[in-house]
Amino acid sequence: AQKITQTQPGMFVQEKEAVTLDCTYDTSDQSYGLFWYKQPSSGEMIFLIYQGSYDEQNATEGRYSLNFQKARKSANLVISASQLGDSAMYFCAMREGRSSNTGKLIFGQGTTLQVKP
Amino acid sequence: NAGVTQTPKFRVLKTGQSMTLLCAQDMNHEYMYWYRQDPGMGLRLIHYSVGEGTTAKGEVPDGYNVSRLKKQNFLLGLESAAPSQTSVYFCASTEGRYNEQFFGPGTRLTVL
Repeated sequence: AQKITQTQPGMFVQEKEAVTLDCTYDTSDQSYGLFWYKQPSSGEMIFLIYQGSYDEQNATEGRYSLNFQKARKSANLVISASQLGDSAMYFCAMREGRSSNTGKLIFGQGTTLQVKP
Repeated sequence: NAGVTQTPKFRVLKTGQSMTLLCAQDMNHEYMYWYRQDPGMGLRLIHYSVGEGTTAKGEVPDGYNVSRLKKQNFLLGLESAAPSQTSVYFCASTEGRYNEQFFGPGTRLTVL
């Protein structure tokens, strides 16, 4: 069965420092996709970054990068130069592989990040 | 474009009452999803649709029904609400199954 695990319920980081949020996944598919979403206290879900299983380069989007280690089945989110507005809950999610035509996402439990001034 | 909208934003029900949550998207997306979010459990898929007129069960479908009569709308129904259905409900849509999902603002439902 496919599964996403986020082992850090909560984390603190000092403003302007970098932080890594952990995500490990389990799947038997060769083709899959990994996503990170941000959920601020206002509640909306904001898409941050995507990594495909066949992508050779780690995905980057501004201050966000995804440290993709396929052999270890990990897809950690790195936020550089943290800002106070980065304080939020972060979810890692996996899309089923090409064997499925549903696009369904499986979510981890989430990590709450607090940025200290 | 409004993106994905959800109606209502908040609702309080008594056990046994019924209600329908409406999700609408103006992006012409084929795929739509209903999730529920509970503390410590992330988001779990309730039902989904891969096109107009089609629906399928997700991970936690019991107690819910859905309909997708129009491409832009995806309705989630609770026939007889139970306290265990107290949750935040999110609707999402995507252009294709390999694309990111766009989420609505959520509906906070409390069942007393």
